[in-house]
Amino acid sequence: DGGITQSPKYLFRKEGQNVTLSCEQNLNHDAMYWYRQDPGQGLRLIYYSQIVNDFQKGDIAEGYSVSREKKESFPLTVTSAQKNPTAFYLCASTPLGSYNSPLHFGNGTRLTVT
Amino acid sequence: AQSVTQLGSHVSVSEGALVLLRCNYSSSVPPYLFWYVQYPNQGLQLLLKYTTGATLVKGINGFEAEFKKSETSFHLTKPSAHMSDAAEYFCAVSSTGGNNRKLIWGLGTSLAVNP
Repeated sequence: DGGITQSPKYLFRKEGQNVTLSCEQNLNHDAMYWYRQDPGQGLRLIYYSQIVNDFQKGDIAEGYSVSREKKESFPLTVTSAQKNPTAFYLCASTPLGSYNSPLHFGNGTRLTVT
Repeated sequence: AQSVTQLGSHVSVSEGALVLLRCNYSSSVPPYLFWYVQYPNQGLQLLLKYTTGATLVKGINGFEAEFKKSETSFHLTKPSAHMSDAAEYFCAVSSTGGNNRKLIWGLGTSLAVNP
């Protein structure tokens, strides 16, 4: 079955270290997204990409970086510049150009930085 | 600017009772509206969506929602709650215009179902 795979499910890092979260999809979707979820704050968009080798900042891009070298992969790096990185991170995808197509989500990565 | 308001961050119902989760939106253009469900430590799953046409939309797991333009609402209902409905529910509106697709999310409503 097609879907989105995020790994690892749980990730622990020390403050000051960069960490990369993996997101892979086999849905043949063009657009991919990274969201951050904190309790009581809903979902906030970090970065999105509509095509390979192109991506745009979302609402809270500071302290994060992404790459889109392959259509099926959209890794997110949480850098040491992110002041409060502990959160639940969700990757999603959708076909390009369709405003009414739903997002398909992975099962998330819970990052804890101490 | 578009916005989504979910009234009530926590809702508690008894098993078998009516579920009503409220969502109001603001949009300067006809919106596309979505309800998603999230179970603990999982991603979100689409429950239902409204794009055009019939204003009463049926989704998975017995849920439905009605688009009321005059009230700018898209409330989610289920006639009889089941224990397995306990989850976080998110309402979202899709912005239109240009090639950028961006969802505006509500803050979520946590549904508890009591035996």
